[in-house]
Amino acid sequence: DQQVKQNSPSLSVQEGRISILNCDYTNSMFDYFLWYKKYPAEGPTFLISISSIKDKNEDGRFTVFLNKSAKHLSLHIVPSQPGDSAVYFCAASAKGGSEKLVFGKGTKLTVNP
Amino acid sequence: NAGVTQTPKFQVLKTGQSMTLQCAQDMNHNSMYWYRQDPGMGLRLIYYSASEGTTDKGEVPNGYNVSRLNKREFSLRLESAAPSQTSVYFCASRGQVEGNQPQHFGDGTRLSIL
Repeated sequence: DQQVKQNSPSLSVQEGRISILNCDYTNSMFDYFLWYKKYPAEGPTFLISISSIKDKNEDGRFTVFLNKSAKHLSLHIVPSQPGDSAVYFCAASAKGGSEKLVFGKGTKLTVNP
Repeated sequence: NAGVTQTPKFQVLKTGQSMTLQCAQDMNHNSMYWYRQDPGMGLRLIYYSASEGTTDKGEVPNGYNVSRLNKREFSLRLESAAPSQTSVYFCASRGQVEGNQPQHFGDGTRLSIL
């Protein structure tokens, strides 16, 4: 039973355009959501997060949107750059769960020059 | 800034051998975690330690043991390695006990069991 789902294994966009990565979750107890970026042979790197009390969080080129009623979040990257090419993982944790993270399977983003 | 350091980076074992994966963090974090990542899968939690002196099972604990040696170090032990434990293992740490904080990851240990 996958609690965090990233239904697109891969996404390809042109440099300078917008990248939109999607994530759905099933557990209504999740209250903190994160996006991690992962390059080959490296560990995941924290990118941006959002608490369930917000519906948007922005950090430079990266914006995360949360739609609690739909149990859906998305990561927007504008403008996309070739260095953004990586695997992006969506993760979630529940309040009182010792901040254990539940990860999606990841989306491989390729930004073409 | 070392952050989270994992050793070794690579290891090949034979079925039945034992091994300890080491993890140390220099950020004075309270919580530490062990995950495994298999091809086409997200990271799955093996064990975690919410604070020094405590450990708890995660989603996939079978075949593993852990030790929170002190605040800095959290080790993962495979007592009798099996081919199904071939994976990439990531250690992570997190700061304050309460409140929303991200976990910070090491670069992983790539373990192959023949």
